[in-house]
Amino acid sequence: GAVVSQHPSRVICKSGTSVKIECRSLDFQATTMFWYRQFPKQSLMLMATSNEGSKATYEQGVEKDKFLINHASLTLSTLTVTSAHPEDSSFYICSALASGGPNTGELFFGEGSRLTVL
Amino acid sequence: AQSVTQLDSHVSVSEGTPVLLRCNYSSSYSPSLFWYVQHPNKGLQLLLKYTSAATLVKGINGFEAEFKKSETSFHLTKPSAHMSDAAEYFCVVSEITGGFKTIFGAGTRLFVKA
Repeated sequence: GAVVSQHPSRVICKSGTSVKIECRSLDFQATTMFWYRQFPKQSLMLMATSNEGSKATYEQGVEKDKFLINHASLTLSTLTVTSAHPEDSSFYICSALASGGPNTGELFFGEGSRLTVL
Repeated sequence: AQSVTQLDSHVSVSEGTPVLLRCNYSSSYSPSLFWYVQHPNKGLQLLLKYTSAATLVKGINGFEAEFKKSETSFHLTKPSAHMSDAAEYFCVVSEITGGFKTIFGAGTRLFVKA
């Protein structure tokens, strides 16, 4: 079945540094990918919609300069948390919307990335 | 406007007994509905989906859900719970109207007692 690989699965960084998280669709193309943030024991909160070849669309209240999203190819989107602070510590999950092929229109999720900012 | 309501934040069952996780939705258009499961510190795995075909949808691991338009419900069931079913379950509604949009329910934590 279709697989979305998210890397790294865990990252610990110092306050003030930047962290990049990758989301790859391994065996399908995705013109649209989504980034979510999940706080402990809560549901997923959509942060932004990433569109291949164009600027991401951010949800209200999400700082685009803080959370940089790049979707340079049909199989890769990256989320960069810039100048990270402890309050940015969270579980970040991506999903990819399959475009073309047998799974067109289906949403596949990555395994998530646990970010801890010290 | 879309919305998803998972009626129970926690459900506790004994192993071998039936599971019922409730979900109600509202949507302006013909929605697609999904159930996902999330184990601790993991991503989401699709259990099943409804996309305007058969109203009774069978998924993986013995789960199934029935789409009832008159009740705007999409409850998830399983005849016999297994310990490995203990996890967080999310009901999700999506629409393709001017872009693909998904709304997540708040989640239901399923506990399975031995």
